[in-house]
Amino acid sequence: AQSVAQPEDQVNVAEGNPLTVKCTYSVSGNPYLFWYVQYPNRGLQFLLKYITGDNLVKGSYGFEAEFNKSQTSFHLKKPSALVSDSALYFCAVRDSRGNNRLAFGKGNQVVVIP
Amino acid sequence: NAGVTQTPKFRILKIGQSMTLQCTQDMNHNYMYWYRQDPGMGLKLIYYSVGAGITDKGEVPNGYNVSRSTTEDFPLRLELAAPSQTSVYFCASSYSYLGEASYNSPLHFGNGTRLTVT
Repeated sequence: AQSVAQPEDQVNVAEGNPLTVKCTYSVSGNPYLFWYVQYPNRGLQFLLKYITGDNLVKGSYGFEAEFNKSQTSFHLKKPSALVSDSALYFCAVRDSRGNNRLAFGKGNQVVVIP
Repeated sequence: NAGVTQTPKFRILKIGQSMTLQCTQDMNHNYMYWYRQDPGMGLKLIYYSVGAGITDKGEVPNGYNVSRSTTEDFPLRLELAAPSQTSVYFCASSYSYLGEASYNSPLHFGNGTRLTVT
């Protein structure tokens, strides 16, 4: 079955510094990868996805993610973090072989320090 | 645009009580989902539906039931509430074109229902 690992519980970064949130995945077929963000007391919001093609994917709010097949990773990045980026970030994966379910990681809390 | 609407926002239940969490979407999405979110555990799929009249179990269906009589509505029923069902519940929807799996489609989430069972 598909699965996602987000190894860090919390990521602290100073405002203006680059932000990276790590994600690795496991699938038996081809991966369909997604990043979502959750602000307090809200549902998850879609940021970006990788389906096929260019390994660097650009999404909302200046975020981007890089698909690395050999390392089975899909790390989320932002060149210059804002205080308003403080939120909970989830990586998710679907497997091209199997039941089409979306498996979520446990989430990473990002804290941007002014 | 309303998107995905969940009611109620908060609820406290006593052990053994029952309740229905309501979910409705106005985007004409064919797929709908129920997830529960527990701290440090991510989201777990409870049930999902690929269209009106069709439902299927997810990872953690025990203690829950669903129905999908219309495209818009996907209520989640708890029959005998237990403390283990204390969680935040999210409804979501997505669209899949005819003949295409919903692999590419992002999910649209409601704002959640925070349920406490004591």
